[in-house]
Amino acid sequence: LAKTTQPISMDSYEGQEVNITCSHNNIATNDYITWYQQFPSQGPRFIIQGYKTKVTNEVASLFIPADRKSSTLSLPRVSLSDTAVYYCLVGDKGSGNTPLVFGKGTRLSVIA
Amino acid sequence: DSGVTQTPKHLITATGQRVTLRCSPRSGDLSVYWYQQSLDQGLQFLIHYYNGEERAKGNILERFSAQQFPDLHSELNLSSLELGDSALYFCASSVELQAPNSPLHFGNGTRLTVT
Repeated sequence: LAKTTQPISMDSYEGQEVNITCSHNNIATNDYITWYQQFPSQGPRFIIQGYKTKVTNEVASLFIPADRKSSTLSLPRVSLSDTAVYYCLVGDKGSGNTPLVFGKGTRLSVIA
Repeated sequence: DSGVTQTPKHLITATGQRVTLRCSPRSGDLSVYWYQQSLDQGLQFLIHYYNGEERAKGNILERFSAQQFPDLHSELNLSSLELGDSALYFCASSVELQAPNSPLHFGNGTRLTVT
């Protein structure tokens, strides 16, 4: 299983762009990179997933360099409601026997 | 709303007792995953079922067991409960049949308190 490393916490002011980087040096060829958001006492919520280059949806962008050893989740113009824990996961569920392992995540605090 | 339903939302029981947590996956999802989240441990993967069959086991204690039924709902059974089993238990589901890396969709969890 590819191990991930993320900052434990980050602070940001409202309206700023936030970039959270995740390191996954031993990512395997078939592994995908998936980010989840979790609010207190709620289940994690899928944000975005990618394999390489850049992926963008209505919530965030995911930047993946060519070597895929890291990835960056970009949240544009954050608001107070973006305060949450963000998890980076790396794995290949397609193998059928590789569980997705959540690390400690990054606790993002957005300040007014 | 993720479409994953977990019952009950809260459960308070005594040490030594047995409880059953229930999960109904999103319509069409064949996979069910169980996770445990306690304050000091983060999200711990317990077990994965796909279309009724166990596919992977994580840090699941021998006192815990799970199954997925023909209608695809799943139950997590926790027995001989200890104080340390107090946690949020999450169920997640995903499609996976033609999209093996489809994301997980989590329910809102069952908060278990063992007294």
